[in-house]
Amino acid sequence: EPEVTQTPSHQVTQMGQEVILRCVPISNHLYFYWYRQILGQKVEFLVSFYNNEISEKSEIFDDQFSVERPDGSNFTLKIRSTKLEDSAMYFCASSDSGFGSNEKLFFGSGTQLSVL
Amino acid sequence: EDKVVQSPLSLVVHEGDTVTLNCSYEVTNFRSLLWYKQEKKAPTFLFMLTSSGIEKKSGRLSSILDKKELFSILNITATQTGDSAIYLCAGLTSGTYKYIFGTGTRLKVLA
Repeated sequence: EPEVTQTPSHQVTQMGQEVILRCVPISNHLYFYWYRQILGQKVEFLVSFYNNEISEKSEIFDDQFSVERPDGSNFTLKIRSTKLEDSAMYFCASSDSGFGSNEKLFFGSGTQLSVL
Repeated sequence: EDKVVQSPLSLVVHEGDTVTLNCSYEVTNFRSLLWYKQEKKAPTFLFMLTSSGIEKKSGRLSSILDKKELFSILNITATQTGDSAIYLCAGLTSGTYKYIFGTGTRLKVLA
């Protein structure tokens, strides 16, 4: 089965540093997402991306966050100045949602971000 | 505000028991409901339900959607220790195609 690939699997950073989390969605998918999950808590929506622009973002996705699709395959999440509360597992996901299409959401294996 | 609520939050059963997990949703422009199993890291897909009253089945797992009452159930029969996981349901909205997840039900199956 096709896979969403995320790198790195673990990232440790100092508070205030910038981090970039990388994802390669499934190649023919059109919708890309970032979710996060703080340990023991729910999977929270951060942002969705379609047609090279953000289609929706949550309240969590403030000015410190940005997403980019720098080429035809990668999808990145940047956190400009990390805070302790940004520590979480970050999941990239993609789907082929669309009229008449399969709407199953595929998840990557996640990046565990630890902010010290 | 869109929300998905799951119950119970956690459940402990013995092998061989049957369990029913609940998911209610209030999702604007609802399109479909999905169930996922999360063991260690990434959630893995179980079912997608779009139409009311049509049961989806995979082995010992089955699920059904009620679009009038805005809920879904996931049944697991003859549970095994390998079923121990967090079960997530998510509502999918039309338009922005956002998946909204519930808090999950943590299932533990004892041998």
